[in-house]
Formats: sequence, structure tokens, C-alpha cells
Amino acid sequence: AQSVTQLDSQVPVFEEAPVELRCNYSSSVSVYLFWYVQYPNQGLQLLLKYLSGSTLVESINGFEAEFNKSQTSFHLRKPSVHISDTAEYFCAASNQAGTALIFGKGTTLSVSS
Amino acid sequence: GAGVSQSPRYKVTKRGQDVALRCDPISGHVSLYWYRQALGQGPEFLTYFNYEAQQDKSGLPNDRFSAERPEGSISTLTIQRTEQRDSAMYRCASSLGGAKNIQYFGAGTRLSVL
Repeated sequence: AQSVTQLDSQVPVFEEAPVELRCNYSSSVSVYLFWYVQYPNQGLQLLLKYLSGSTLVESINGFEAEFNKSQTSFHLRKPSVHISDTAEYFCAASNQAGTALIFGKGTTLSVSS
Repeated sequence: GAGVSQSPRYKVTKRGQDVALRCDPISGHVSLYWYRQALGQGPEFLTYFNYEAQQDKSGLPNDRFSAERPEGSISTLTIQRTEQRDSAMYRCASSLGGAKNIQYFGAGTRLSVL
């Protein structure tokens, strides 16, 4: 079955600490991978995507994710988080037909001072 | 418009009533998608349009759910004879089409069935 698994439902961290949000995908999905972020009371926004090429992709606000085919993972990392990074993060993959995104259950990142 | 617009933002209805949720995609976007997100879960695919054609409706849970996009722009998701289990956030997204193109999401409609 096509699936995306986010291993942590909640990740609490202190400001300026590093963070990793884990995501694994089943080999039956396509290798078009995405991270979306949802800030409180807002819609889903694309954070970064992997379509092809370099396995390390970066966002404009300091997040990065690495596509690892052998481990079927697409973990999201940031070396130093800010209070403003508090949000829910969703990992997603395009289905084989390219007609829909398959989402993980989401990880709530809570950054405190 | 500037982004995907969904209305209403919140809808409270009584069990057994019909509801219609509207999505206005980004101008020029060929593809339109509907997802449903239960509390504590990620969005789950419901249906997908290319222009006015409904290409995939495999995610619609039962025949009480239907969607249309008659002119290839605005779409309506209709739920007939609502049940409490239909309570969820309903999200619409649009894209230029194809698996590589980014899906842009609206703010969603929060449906509560009493």
C-alpha cells in the first residue's frame, strides 16, 4: 500500500536547538516528496520539495531535507529553530499516478524559550 | 485570484442536512483536488479534476459525497444527509497539473455536524 509515515506526533524543543522531523515513505509511492507546514489558523504551505537531482533540498527559512532512497526516508532538519517555527509539519508523496498527494499524520513542532 | 479560496471557513449543520463546500482555485490552474482531514490526521485524498473532468473519485467515502467543476474553475463538494462522522476539515488544492507541480492549498472549511 502507498503510505507516508511520520514517526513523531509531537516534538518539543527549545529555541536555537537543532531539530529533526522524521518521514518514511513506502516504496510504492512515487519519489516526488514534499514537506508542507501549517501555522496556527492558516492553510497548508509548501516548505520544500524533492523532484529529482540533488538529494538535499533547502527552504528559504533554513530547513533542509534529504532524500534517502535506500532508507526510503525524507527527514526534515533545521540546525537552530526559532519560536516562529512552531507549527504542524506534514510530509507528503505523490501517488504513482500523479493524481494525489499521500500525507503523513503530521508532526507538531513546539519551540519554547 | 491570489490564492485558493474556500468558503465557508466554518460550517455547522445538523445531522441529515445537505452541505455544499466551495473552492475557487488559483486562476489558470488546470487541476483541482479535494482532501479531508480528520483531527490528528493528515489530509486524505477525496477526488481530483483536470479542467472540468473528474479524473479520480476513488477517495470519496460513499455515495453521499459528490463533487463537480462544471466550467473548469470553481468546484463544489456536496455532502448529502450529513452524519456526525463527516465532521472534519475539508481542504481544496489546485495546481498547474502533473505529479511534479506544486499543489497550493486553501485555508479549508471546518465542518461540524451536530
